[in-house]
Amino acid sequence: DQQVKQNSPSLSVQEGRISILNCDYTNSMFDYFLWYKKYPAEGPTFLISISSIKDKNEDGRFTVFLNKSAKHLSLHIVPSQPGDSAVYFCAALNNNNDMRFGAGTRLTVKP
Amino acid sequence: GAGVSQSPSNKVTEKGKDVELRCDPISGHTALYWYRQSLGQGLEFLIYFQGNSAPDKSGLPSDRFSAERTGGSVSTLTIQRTQQEDSAVYLCASSLSGGMNTEAFFGQGTRLTVV
Repeated sequence: DQQVKQNSPSLSVQEGRISILNCDYTNSMFDYFLWYKKYPAEGPTFLISISSIKDKNEDGRFTVFLNKSAKHLSLHIVPSQPGDSAVYFCAALNNNNDMRFGAGTRLTVKP
Repeated sequence: GAGVSQSPSNKVTEKGKDVELRCDPISGHTALYWYRQSLGQGLEFLIYFQGNSAPDKSGLPSDRFSAERTGGSVSTLTIQRTQQEDSAVYLCASSLSGGMNTEAFFGQGTRLTVV
């Protein structure tokens, strides 16, 4: 069951521009959300998270926005850099820390 | 090392054989997850262990798949009578949990190829 959905399998952005990655979820029991970044042949690495009590969390070039009523979150990367090229996974946890992932979005940042 | 360790890193097996994949989580982490990533696919949830609670096995694709977590630490994922569609990268993650939402840390994965 697809409780977490990333409907864009890929995204291509010019260096210096904003990258916006989107994620939707269906389970209202999710109360903590995370973004992971994955390079080929490596495990995913944690990038940024947000609690359901917030609507925005910022860390350097990365900002995550949460719209609880729409069950939607997004990751903004500004400015995008070629080294940001990777697959980005959205994840959601319920209050038992049971974690589900989206299918991922492959971001390509062109120099 | 301080990270999540998975072994073997690569495994090639013949169709019909059983395989065991091992995960050593970060010491003290109470939550442990198994996922698999098939070629070009996302992270498919398999199983989740949280402390001494009964594991969430809802993601296991068939009864050929099973997992154990002994002593609340090391976990093994066993696939019996492997099939070619079992070929994937199997990823393990652990988190501190303990009632707090926190990020999970992943191992490098085990690439399983069934021939």
